[in-house]
Amino acid sequence: QKEVEQDPGPLSVPEGAIVSLNCTYSNSAFQYFMWYRQYSRKGPELLMYTYSSGNKEDGRFTAQVDKSSKYISLFIRDSQPSDSATYLCAFSTGNTPLVFGKGTRLSVIA
Amino acid sequence: GAVVSQHPSWVICKSGTSVKIECRSLDFQATTMFWYRQFPKQSLMLMATSNEGSKATYEQGVEKDKFLINHASLTLSTLTVTSAHPEDSSFYICSAEPPGSNQPQHFGDGTRLSIL
Repeated sequence: QKEVEQDPGPLSVPEGAIVSLNCTYSNSAFQYFMWYRQYSRKGPELLMYTYSSGNKEDGRFTAQVDKSSKYISLFIRDSQPSDSATYLCAFSTGNTPLVFGKGTRLSVIA
Repeated sequence: GAVVSQHPSWVICKSGTSVKIECRSLDFQATTMFWYRQFPKQSLMLMATSNEGSKATYEQGVEKDKFLINHASLTLSTLTVTSAHPEDSSFYICSAEPPGSNQPQHFGDGTRLSIL
């Protein structure tokens, strides 16, 4: 079983749709959960950072962590064409380098 | 938010030359920086962990003599690709970890390296 699995996409949605991006993980030692957004030919940009189960909201973005199921999600409300990017989930135990998912490519069509 | 600056953003050079990439943390001191490599449509691959004032820790399979890392100050780490060849062409990205326990990494905008 891979340490991190991320829905590969690509995912194409109309403008205004709600987007759900997901990752599962197998390492129960992961304590920190992140979502990064990466535009083409740019470095990843931190979107959300959580360290507990539950929901965390920031504007149109909501990060959800379910430690019991080893599952994290990122929801994007009222999606915009500017949200078109690759979204990477990332995990950390706190003592080791980040472990990334392979990324989901999202296209929001106007 | 935290800002990490990476320079140059794009470099093209001839095979056999050495290329230096700089990574600076602009608004915090970073004892630890990371260097990643990313191929098209793939995720980030960690190359090495750069520790201020000490030797870098390289991931398995990464040639230490090929990819020289120097972290001489708390705000600057450099990656030098020595005697670069076409197979070294890639997107190189650095990140820095702000001080404090378990702060998330912040990334530079990457350097696109093309070796002719």
